[in-house]
Amino acid sequence: GAGVSQTPSNKVTEKGKYVELRCDPISGHTALYWYRQSLGQGPEFLIYFQGTGAADDSGLPNDRFFAVRPEGSVSTLKIQRTERGDSAVYLCASSSGTGHTDTQYFGPGTRLTVL
Amino acid sequence: GQNIDQPTEMTATEGAIVQINCTYQTSGFNGLFWYQQHAGEAPTFLSYNVLDGLEEKGRFSSFLSRSKGYSYLLLKELQMKDSASYLCAVLDSNYQLIWGAGTKLIIKP
Repeated sequence: GAGVSQTPSNKVTEKGKYVELRCDPISGHTALYWYRQSLGQGPEFLIYFQGTGAADDSGLPNDRFFAVRPEGSVSTLKIQRTERGDSAVYLCASSSGTGHTDTQYFGPGTRLTVL
Repeated sequence: GQNIDQPTEMTATEGAIVQINCTYQTSGFNGLFWYQQHAGEAPTFLSYNVLDGLEEKGRFSSFLSRSKGYSYLLLKELQMKDSASYLCAVLDSNYQLIWGAGTKLIIKP
């Protein structure tokens, strides 16, 4: 596609439920990043994929968060037993190279609200 | 700890020039990015600096001083569409992007 796409654009769920957020990177981009952004704050790094493997998952806040990218393209961020504090905009970005200095192109984000 | 500081909000007049400052203290440095983010939208790339000095790109310029841990984004000939948040982000020694909270720029006619 022309840009990074994310679905759903909005997700409202109840505390304790499981959610999956999807990211479709720019075609051919090998690097994929997940961030979350709270209101009035900058993005917070969660995880970085190079190809199919998670090269750096040090930003995942706890073991309720997990992400996969099985074929090196689409990625899914999975959150188990959601908590109200998980409410944020979840951003996905992709870049073309293997270097972190390559420009990251962001998707529109998924706004997650946990009631 | 790692820290990126930017002013929370700035106001400027259409047609004028504005400078948005960013100071950083990070574990290592592998470059500094500026992104623009309109309300409710994704951040979009503006500039990347890794060497000291000024990089000019149209109406936007970005400056870096590594010894001072300081950068600024200069916007000239301001237009109403420049109303947005401007995010400063530093690539640290682990190649993670550390983001500032952003500067909300309000342009008045």
